[in-house]
Amino acid sequence: DAKTTQPNSMESNEEEPVHLPCNHSTISGTDYIHWYRQLPSQGPEYVIHGLTSNVNNRMASLAIAEDRKSSTLILHRATLRDAAVYYCILRTIAGGTSYGKLTFGQGTILTVHP
Amino acid sequence: EAEVAQSPRYKITEKSQAVAFWCDPISGHATLYWYRQILGQGPELLVQFQDESVVDDSQLPKDRFSAERLKGVDSTLKIQPAELGDSAMYLCASSSRSGPTDTQYFGPGTRLTVL
Repeated sequence: DAKTTQPNSMESNEEEPVHLPCNHSTISGTDYIHWYRQLPSQGPEYVIHGLTSNVNNRMASLAIAEDRKSSTLILHRATLRDAAVYYCILRTIAGGTSYGKLTFGQGTILTVHP
Repeated sequence: EAEVAQSPRYKITEKSQAVAFWCDPISGHATLYWYRQILGQGPELLVQFQDESVVDDSQLPKDRFSAERLKGVDSTLKIQPAELGDSAMYLCASSSRSGPTDTQYFGPGTRLTVL
């Protein structure tokens, strides 16, 4: 499986933008880039995903580099509720059939200061 | 909003005892996943069901773990006998399908402590 590399931790101030980087230099052409986050004492929750183009939804934006070897999750105005572990995950179609599993790494621990 | 239900939320057991966890996925979701999360690490897939069939159990320690989804709806994960190293969060997730763009919805998890 293609692997991702994320910083162990990042800090932000409330109401400021946050840019969470992810490197995936061995990404293949059919790998989708997904982001999930895990709030304290909760299960992970979906944030956003993309393939080649930048994506926006109500939670965040995903900026994908032109060569797809890196991506950035953007939280436009961080709140205290955004403090969580953020996971960047590649989902692969293997052998023509995707079984859909998520392969989590260590993720980035985001701390938001009031 | 529909949610994945899990019970119990917390379980404390002694080494060598049997434990069981229950998961009720979002209605209509054909795919169900069980993950294990050790403190400080990301979740790791134990088993994946498509309806009532297992499609991936490559990381399930089959000598002590078993999982079933008899009617293709709710699911049970069992450990017998429990070992100290099984202390972890056990997460259940479901999705409508199993494609590379499908969103997985996670339950709150069961925190297992083995003494």
